[in-house]
Amino acid sequence: ETGVTQSPTHLIKTRGQQVTLRCSSQSGHNTVSWYQQALGQGPQFIFQYYREEENGRGNFPPRFSGLQFPNYSSELNVNALELDDSALYLCASSLGQGYTDTQYFGPGTRLTVL
Amino acid sequence: QKEVEQNSGPLSVPEGAIASLNCTYSDRGSQSFFWYRQYSGKSPELIMFIYSNGDKEDGRFTAQLNKASQYVSLLIRDSQPSDSATYLCAVTVNRDDKIIFGKGTRLHILP
Repeated sequence: ETGVTQSPTHLIKTRGQQVTLRCSSQSGHNTVSWYQQALGQGPQFIFQYYREEENGRGNFPPRFSGLQFPNYSSELNVNALELDDSALYLCASSLGQGYTDTQYFGPGTRLTVL
Repeated sequence: QKEVEQNSGPLSVPEGAIASLNCTYSDRGSQSFFWYRQYSGKSPELIMFIYSNGDKEDGRFTAQLNKASQYVSLLIRDSQPSDSATYLCAVTVNRDDKIIFGKGTRLHILP
């Protein structure tokens, strides 16, 4: 167990809907990164937040947005869901910004878009 | 498009042998290199990171980095059935503000 938790575990939505996924970082960690992992693929970096500010973003459209709260928990919001958004969404927390500190992954949220 | 390439496998290795996993990357500015292990149905977990050319050893694992050839590898000595998993190579780009994962190599250790 990494101490990183995510909710919900599974979620089913329909195309066009909006979804919010949540992540609780490991105690003391002030950086969170979000990833999308399609079946049989490696994780794709969505964005990273450090002390409530976005600190880097991958090649995802603006309908993917995030928030990090003062207690360093985090949300990933996806608007106008598309079928291709079906994937495992992983968050990872770390101590410092960037990637020099070890990232600890949560168990993920499995999103299915119908 | 900056990419990280890995052979998808499966790579089958007899128990006790050395497993060799390879990864190439396209961004010459990459600075940090990581190997993650992901068991089926589980999240990735960090095995090793390497920043400088050469070898870095940690127990049965050795990471090797060659920036001139844009190549990073992971050696697993004395392979165990519990090493059977998907191994993900990850590389930072753009002065560490992004990280790119490869698709992973499935490793199967034969008892």
